[in-house]
Amino acid sequence: GESVGLHLPTLSVQEGDNSIINCAYSNSASDYFIWYKQESGKGPQFIIDIRSNMDKRQGQRVTVLLNKTVKHLSLQIAATQPGDSAVYFCAENDAGFQKLVFGTGTRLLVSP
Amino acid sequence: EAGVAQSPRYKIIEKRQSVAFWCNPISGHATLYWYQQILGQGPKLLIQFQNNGVVDDSQLPKDRFSAERLKGVDSTLKIQPAKLEDSAVYLCASTTQPNYGYTFGSGTRLTVV
Repeated sequence: GESVGLHLPTLSVQEGDNSIINCAYSNSASDYFIWYKQESGKGPQFIIDIRSNMDKRQGQRVTVLLNKTVKHLSLQIAATQPGDSAVYFCAENDAGFQKLVFGTGTRLLVSP
Repeated sequence: EAGVAQSPRYKIIEKRQSVAFWCNPISGHATLYWYQQILGQGPKLLIQFQNNGVVDDSQLPKDRFSAERLKGVDSTLKIQPAKLEDSAVYLCASTTQPNYGYTFGSGTRLTVV
């Protein structure tokens, strides 16, 4: 299928490694953040979210870290698998406007 | 729980023609969004509905784009006339309330030639 993003920043890892994908956000008023995974030809798929009153949240194999001081968000994927290969987007929700604003995206490539 | 349904899956039209996309959100989701995703970019919001009312359409090119959600359930997005730069994936998302659990459909890929 057609690629979601041809010129996105790319992170290449080996199967079994841990992956860290970073995202800088710009709006200090944002109070809710979501990481999405998008495979080619599909819509964004929810991975994990975090609210601004937290600095860390863990899911199954994934952890999101939020640093409000420097407006930085990261997604950590443990024991990365080939099925994790996709484009990953962070999105921020502006409480005042109640809408999601997406970042540029990072392509994750996992080699067997 | 059924997901967000969108149709058609793909559409190819010539510039200056018109096109319409359809979205059926998750049952009970009051808030519905249309996003445009150009290749290589993140999705960008076009319009937000709360039930059948428009909450935010500030990014919608209103000279050619229109959207409606007449009964507060499914929604249509129309482009008339289409331009080459409208080639993109059009994504629909819904949520029970803003700031909580957005779910996206698979999108409609539009190619304008």
